[in-house]
Amino acid sequence: SQQGEEDPQALSIQEGENATMNCSYKTSINNLQWYRQNSGRGLVHLILIRSNEREKHSGRLRVTLDTSKKSSSLLITASRAADTASYFCATNSGGSNYKLTFGKGTLLTVNP
Amino acid sequence: EAGVAQSPRYKIIEKRQSVAFWCNPISGHATLYWYQQILGQGPKLLIQFQNNGVVDDSQLPKDRFSAERLKGVDSTLKIQPAKLEDSAVYLCASSWDSPSTANYGYTFGSGTRLTVV
Repeated sequence: SQQGEEDPQALSIQEGENATMNCSYKTSINNLQWYRQNSGRGLVHLILIRSNEREKHSGRLRVTLDTSKKSSSLLITASRAADTASYFCATNSGGSNYKLTFGKGTLLTVNP
Repeated sequence: EAGVAQSPRYKIIEKRQSVAFWCNPISGHATLYWYQQILGQGPKLLIQFQNNGVVDDSQLPKDRFSAERLKGVDSTLKIQPAKLEDSAVYLCASSWDSPSTANYGYTFGSGTRLTVV
């Protein structure tokens, strides 16, 4: 079963613009993570935000977490053509193991 | 640091045949995961190992799928017999085992793309 649901399913923007992707989830979490997947490749970990954090930055990435609304957003500023990829949110619900449940992803296309 | 190694990169088999995938995680990572990713979907966990013990295999179709992690390092995932719906990318990932601190994300391999015809 998939915990997170990304929105939108697909997003197309011009180089230099900002891209915002959203993720909603259903149950309480320990942390939420965002991953990028280039076509035909493995997933790359981008950023992790814990349940007691509200915002986190890493380079051109900004992630927010609202546990009351069970939602998160990923903002990529000043996008580049190389940012074209699928982006997935993944939730860790804690417990005795460290297991991630992934959403279906947002396909981001950045046009040069 | 070397990444997670997977092989083969691609595999095409006929239905009812068997296939095996291999994974070598990052040195020192206690936890290893196998995910199945069907085209257009997010990865779905098949099985999770901690060292050489199974932590979670609740979504592994045990009538046809099996996995092992000998000596707590390398792992193999086998499908026998394969069905058309097994066509997917099989991803291996590893992580530091820290559910309480959860400072780290997973490191994924490049995956094995399986096509069953």
